[in-house]
Amino acid sequence: LAKTTQPISMDSYEGQEVNITCSHNNIATNDYITWYQQFPSQGPRFIIQGYKTKVTNEVASLFIPADRKSSTLSLPRVSLSDTAVYYCLVGDGNYGQNFVFGPGTRLSVLP
Amino acid sequence: KAGVTQTPRYLIKTRGQQVTLSCSPISGHRSVSWYQQTPGQGLQFLFEYFSETQRNKGNFPGRFSGRQFSNSRSEMNVSTLELGDSALYLCASSYTGTGLGAEAFFGQGTRLTVV
Repeated sequence: LAKTTQPISMDSYEGQEVNITCSHNNIATNDYITWYQQFPSQGPRFIIQGYKTKVTNEVASLFIPADRKSSTLSLPRVSLSDTAVYYCLVGDGNYGQNFVFGPGTRLSVLP
Repeated sequence: KAGVTQTPRYLIKTRGQQVTLSCSPISGHRSVSWYQQTPGQGLQFLFEYFSETQRNKGNFPGRFSGRQFSNSRSEMNVSTLELGDSALYLCASSYTGTGLGAEAFFGQGTRLTVV
């Protein structure tokens, strides 16, 4: 299993861009990188997924360098409602034992 | 389309009792996974079902079991409840459960309290 390492917590202010980096040094060839967001007492919500280079959707961008040993989730212009825990997951997309949630990054957006 | 529905949302049980939790996946999704979330252990994988067959199982004791029906609805059962089973139980559904784009959609969970 590719283990991931993320900062435990981050603070930001409204309107700023937030970048959360995840390390996954032993990522396998078939592994994808997926980010989820979770609010208290709710299930995680899919944000973005990628394999290499850059992926962008309506809520975030995901940057993956050529060696794929890390990835960065970028949230543009955060608001108070972006306060949540963000999980980086690395796996082959099989929602079984390969789909391992780490402790995540607790993002606090301040006014 | 309707999301993943978990029932009940809240449950209080006594030690030694058993409990059954239900999960209705998104229509057309055939993979259902179950997770336990506690403040101390985070999100931990319990098991995954696909087309009524258990494909994967996490490291939980045999008191935790599950099943999936032909309409993809899934149930999770915990027997002989212990205080440590108090947690948020989450169900996730996806179309295939594998491969790129196999996005998992989570329900809001069932908050189980064992007293």
